[in-house]
Amino acid sequence: SQQGEEDPQALSIQEGENATMNCSYKTSINNLQWYRQNSGRGLVHLILIRSNEREKHSGRLRVTLDTSKKSSSLLITASRAADTASYFCATASGGSNYKLTFGKGTLLTVNP
Amino acid sequence: DGGITQSPKYLFRKEGQNVTLSCEQNLNHDAMYWYRQDPGQGLRLIYYSQIVNDFQKGDIAEGYSVSREKKESFPLTVTSAQKNPTAFYLCASSPGQVVGSSYNEQFFGPGTRLTVL
Repeated sequence: SQQGEEDPQALSIQEGENATMNCSYKTSINNLQWYRQNSGRGLVHLILIRSNEREKHSGRLRVTLDTSKKSSSLLITASRAADTASYFCATASGGSNYKLTFGKGTLLTVNP
Repeated sequence: DGGITQSPKYLFRKEGQNVTLSCEQNLNHDAMYWYRQDPGQGLRLIYYSQIVNDFQKGDIAEGYSVSREKKESFPLTVTSAQKNPTAFYLCASSPGQVVGSSYNEQFFGPGTRLTVL
């Protein structure tokens, strides 16, 4: 079952622009995580935000969480060609801190 | 050099054959996971293990089997009962339960691409 759904499915921008991706989910969560996947590779963890947090920063990444709307956004500022990848949100919910449910991802293309 | 490794990178299987995908981690993590990824799709959980000698079915366990005899190893067998096994398979690990925290980042291997001929 798909918990998180990213929007848009694909995003194409120019280098230097900001990129915003959104994630919506259906049930209450313990935390929400964002991962990045370069083509044909494994996923890399970017950032985690807990259910009692509203905003978190890490370098050029900014994540927000709105539990009332069951949504999160990932903002990448001053994008670079190397940011080209698929980005997935994943939620941990219920009594389990182990299982993550992933969305289908947003494919970000940053053009030089 | 700590991390999680998967082998082989590419695997070809004839219909009706069982194949085993390897996953090893030296991160001393308690929990390990197997996911399947189809083109343009997210990850779907096949099996997960919270601790040695214990594992649970995920969302799409039919046609797959696992074992967890050692902490560092979590092999996945794709059996002939899996009707559409061609996919990208990802193994992951995480530290496990962190007391008093909801934190549980997962670390991923590089993946195995399985093709059925």
